[in-house]
Amino acid sequence: AQRVTQPEKLLSVFKGAPVELKCNYSYSGSPELFWYVQYSRQRLQLLLRHISRESIKGFTADLNKGETSFHLKKPFAQEEDSAMYYCALSPYSGAGSYQLTFGKGTKLSVIP
Amino acid sequence: KAGVTQTPRYLIKTRGQQVTLSCSPISGHRSVSWYQQTPGQGLQFLFEYFSETQRNKGNFPGRFSGRQFSNSRSEMNVSTLELGDSALYLCASSWELNTEAFFGQGTRLTVV
Repeated sequence: AQRVTQPEKLLSVFKGAPVELKCNYSYSGSPELFWYVQYSRQRLQLLLRHISRESIKGFTADLNKGETSFHLKKPFAQEEDSAMYYCALSPYSGAGSYQLTFGKGTKLSVIP
Repeated sequence: KAGVTQTPRYLIKTRGQQVTLSCSPISGHRSVSWYQQTPGQGLQFLFEYFSETQRNKGNFPGRFSGRQFSNSRSEMNVSTLELGDSALYLCASSWELNTEAFFGQGTRLTVV
């Protein structure tokens, strides 16, 4: 069975500081990895997915199959980045958001 | 275009009762997934429907069931409610595999 681990429940950084939200996964096949974000009083929404290799809102994430990690990074945090971030895994590479396994989430707080 | 709509937004039920939750996907989306979110377990996959067929089911007891109609609207039903069923139930819709899933705002179910 697949598992997604986000070791930090809460991460506080100062505005302008680099951000790294950690995500580790376990799955024997070739999964697809995602980062979802939930801003205050808003819906859960897709931030980025590893297969598209995009940078969204300055965030990037690289899939490291050797370390089974998919850490989310941003060089300079902004106050509007404060939100709950979820790492998620789909067991079917290229399957989009089918049957996601989510981590418990990390709350990012950016201090002005 | 209108987002994913879930009704009702809030429900209070008594142990032993049953409940039906509704999800209207974005127009044109054919895939609907359901997730349960609790503080202890986080977001957990319940089931996914595509063109009225259940394609996959998460690790939940048979008390949890769902269906999808020809217009892609979906319902999930929980019978013989238990206190532990209290949760936020999220619905997500997508056009097809390998496309982004859009989440609704959820139905918060409280079992007393």
